[in-house]
Amino acid sequence: GAVVSQHPSWVICKSGTSVKIECRSLDFQATTMFWYRQFPKQSLMLMATSNEGSKATYEQGVEKDKFLINHASLTLSTLTVTSAHPEDSSFYICSRTSGREETQYFGPGTRLLVL
Amino acid sequence: SQQGEEDPQALSIQEGENATMNCSYKTSINNLQWYRQNSGRGLVHLILIRSNEREKHSGRLRVTLDTSKKSSSLLITASRAADTASYFCATVLTGGGNKLTFGTGTQLKVEL
Repeated sequence: GAVVSQHPSWVICKSGTSVKIECRSLDFQATTMFWYRQFPKQSLMLMATSNEGSKATYEQGVEKDKFLINHASLTLSTLTVTSAHPEDSSFYICSRTSGREETQYFGPGTRLLVL
Repeated sequence: SQQGEEDPQALSIQEGENATMNCSYKTSINNLQWYRQNSGRGLVHLILIRSNEREKHSGRLRVTLDTSKKSSSLLITASRAADTASYFCATVLTGGGNKLTFGTGTQLKVEL
């Protein structure tokens, strides 16, 4: 069964609004989770590493004030897309490490459409 | 820049045939992993091969790794329609902690 869940699975919003995406580790206390973005027919690009109890580590070129990450508990990380614009429309996927920290378990993804 | 390039970008075969996908990367790695993604879904881990390994098998999957050429291949034998998906290689770079850097992916279509 699934070990990582995401909510919502899809969201449509107006330009300028903020959208929060939740990522839950269902069976494991994850001190580290990852957020990726995937454009249609493209690969996954790592956005940030979410660290429980501390600040997220963002990849180069990812605006931390635009994509707010909160990892307040060992089972929940949230990504908030602030003041979303049409170019933020994408498929957002989270993951957690497997425990041995070599492989990752991925959530089912959240499709965001900003009108 | 993206770490891995995969080829072919798309592959269409008949059920029962073998499918081979290739992945190239640019820098030193700890391990290389292959993932599968069904359309519009999350990724599923398939197999991991470490930098000191040359070949690994798991069921109908065979993965090779050539660190001198910085390349890997994924072979799916006796393909099935249910194997239709996108396949991505991902590398854990030396000194990169547990971050994955994904390749461009291969879209595989297996037709009946």
